[in-house]
Amino acid sequence: EVQLVESGGGFIPPGGSLRLSCAASGFTVTSNSMSWVRQAPGKGLECVSLIYSGGTTYYADSVKGRFTISRDYSKNTLYLQMNTLRAEDTALYYCAHERVGVYDYWGLGTLVTVSS
Amino acid sequence: DIIMTQSPDSLSVSLGERATINCKSSQSVLSSANNKNYLGWYQQKPGQPPKLLIYWASTRESGVPDRFSGSGSGTDFTLTISSLQAEDVAVYYCQQHYTSLRTFGQGTKVEIK
Repeated sequence: EVQLVESGGGFIPPGGSLRLSCAASGFTVTSNSMSWVRQAPGKGLECVSLIYSGGTTYYADSVKGRFTISRDYSKNTLYLQMNTLRAEDTALYYCAHERVGVYDYWGLGTLVTVSS
Repeated sequence: DIIMTQSPDSLSVSLGERATINCKSSQSVLSSANNKNYLGWYQQKPGQPPKLLIYWASTRESGVPDRFSGSGSGTDFTLTISSLQAEDVAVYYCQQHYTSLRTFGQGTKVEIK
C-alpha cells in the first residue's frame, strides 16, 4: 500500500529556513516522479517543485532560487529545502506521487507558517 | 506557464441533478505526438488532500464512480457530475500536465441547493 507522510513544518520567521520531509512506503521514491504541492489557507493548489524519476527538477517561479527538491534512496524520502522564507510561503505543503503527470497519491500535508 | 481558468467559482445544484464545471487553458494541452489531452481533475473535501478523479481529460481513475465524467480537447474541458450526491460536496480542480511546471485551476466549489 502506498503511503506518504510529510513532516518538518512549523512556525518560522521571515528569512528563515526549513526542510520538509516526505517518507514514502509502498514504492521507491528514486524510481518515481514526485512533487511538492502547496495550498495557502483557504486558497487553491500550487505545484512548487517537481523531480522526475531521472532526477531532473523543476520549480515554480515563486520559489526558484530559494527552494531545493531532493530525495534519498536509503531513507526512501523526498525533501524540500526552503530558504529565505517569506510570508507568502505560508501554506500546507503536500508531497504527491505522479503517474502520467497527475497526482494519484498524496500525503496529509505539513503546515508551514512564516510570520514574525 | 500555462494558466488554467475554471468557471464558475461556485455552483449550487440540487441532489440528483447535473453539475458542470468548465476549465480553460491558456494554451493547448493536446499532444500531437499521442493525441492525448494532458488534463486532470481532482476533488478536495475539507481537511483532506485532493483526490484524483480523471486524467487524460476523460479517463476515470480506478474506483471513481461513473457519475463523474470528463470531456473536451485542446483548451476547453468539462467535468460533469451526472447526478449529484451529498458526498460530492467539495472543491474541484483541473490541472494541466502538458508542461513540467504543472498548474491548477483556481477551484470550483460545489454545494447542494
